[in-house]
Amino acid sequence: EDQVTQSPEALRLQEGESSSLNCSYTVSGLRGLFWYRQDPGKGPEFLFTLYSAGEEKEKERLKATLTKKESFLHITAPKPEDSATYLCASPSSGSARQLTFGSGTQLTVLP
Amino acid sequence: DVKVTQSSRYLVKRTGEKVFLECVQDMDHENMFWYRQDPGLGLRLIYFSYDVKMKEKGDIPEGYSVSREKKERFSLILESASTNQTSMYLCASMNAGVNQPQHFGDGTRLSIL
Repeated sequence: EDQVTQSPEALRLQEGESSSLNCSYTVSGLRGLFWYRQDPGKGPEFLFTLYSAGEEKEKERLKATLTKKESFLHITAPKPEDSATYLCASPSSGSARQLTFGSGTQLTVLP
Repeated sequence: DVKVTQSSRYLVKRTGEKVFLECVQDMDHENMFWYRQDPGLGLRLIYFSYDVKMKEKGDIPEGYSVSREKKERFSLILESASTNQTSMYLCASMNAGVNQPQHFGDGTRLSIL
């Protein structure tokens, strides 16, 4: 059964305090790994696609990396506006059109 | 930029009513999806469509149906609304091809009284 697990469930950081969010997956025949940001009351906003182990993508203070079993979202010197829930997702082994989502990490950055 | 528009941000209906949720995308995407999102349960796929008039069941299709008469529009129908269908409903669209991301609308917060 496909599974995507995110940790921690919640993370509180001081402004400027760098950290990482983890996404581990057990999807056979991995066909990409997606990261999304979701603000309260809004739909998920697409951030990154990672296609293969060793790949890295960056956007402002965020950097996503991928290994054969997990992905990390590194947040460098975060600001309060980075506060959101971060979701990762992987195409299902049964159908590449369907995504299996993790339950998310709720990040709070305190000023 | 991809734009996925859901017709209502908030909706309140009564049990037993037939409820229509509408979604429109402006990028000519082949694939469209309906999810519900509940605290502690995450995003769960209800139905998706890979072409006009084509649909496939997701993980939780019971109590729902869908309609896709035009490529840009995908409707979710609650045939007889029940209180356990109170939720946040999210529509997404996705281009054809490998490793394409899904793009989401801002959701409809539906309350069934």
